[in-house]
Amino acid sequence: SQELEQSPQSLIVQEGKNLTINCTSSKTLYGLYWYKQKYGEGLIFLMMLQKGGEEKSHEKITAKLDEKKQQSSLHITASQPSHAGIYLCGAVIIQGAQKLVFGQGTRLTINP
Amino acid sequence: NAGVTQTPKFQVLKTGQSMTLQCAQDMNHEYMSWYRQDPGMGLRLIHYSVGAGITDQGEVPNGYNVSRSTTEDFPLRLLSAAPSQTSVYFCASSFRRGFNQPQHFGDGTRLSIL
Repeated sequence: SQELEQSPQSLIVQEGKNLTINCTSSKTLYGLYWYKQKYGEGLIFLMMLQKGGEEKSHEKITAKLDEKKQQSSLHITASQPSHAGIYLCGAVIIQGAQKLVFGQGTRLTINP
Repeated sequence: NAGVTQTPKFQVLKTGQSMTLQCAQDMNHEYMSWYRQDPGMGLRLIHYSVGAGITDQGEVPNGYNVSRSTTEDFPLRLLSAAPSQTSVYFCASSFRRGFNQPQHFGDGTRLSIL
């Protein structure tokens, strides 16, 4: 079973529209990371969230951590073709060894 | 800036062959790790290292060996390749393991086992 569940698994939106990707944990979150991956490339670090209620923004991408719900959301405003790719959430989960786990990813397609 | 460098980028092997995937970082990071990425399963941790001379198993360690003789290098060895090891492999590093240490990833090695 996935310790981090992302939804939706894929998303197709019209250019200019807003969208949200969710990442939900089955265990306590002690820090959550968002990464973006383009096909054939590595993962690019976007943002890191550590505290409950924390919200960070970079250009048109905003991420928020809600520790009570063990959930994080990634919101893109006025989407552009450059936003297309796979978005992955990763988290530190206290399990003795502080294992870093990842969600299965959300594939985002932006239609012109 | 080189960051995390993985070689090779692509490799095709026959079942039973062995090979080593190379990973090097030039950021003096203590923590390094190997993941495999399979469709619908995200990234799964294979092995990790918190410093030179120290390695430990992740989620899916079977069939893989690692060593960390230097801070910079963290090679991943496939002892006897199996078709189930067909995947994209990513190496990552961070200054330390912990809550506030985002990992930096290499561009990946695409491995096919026939």
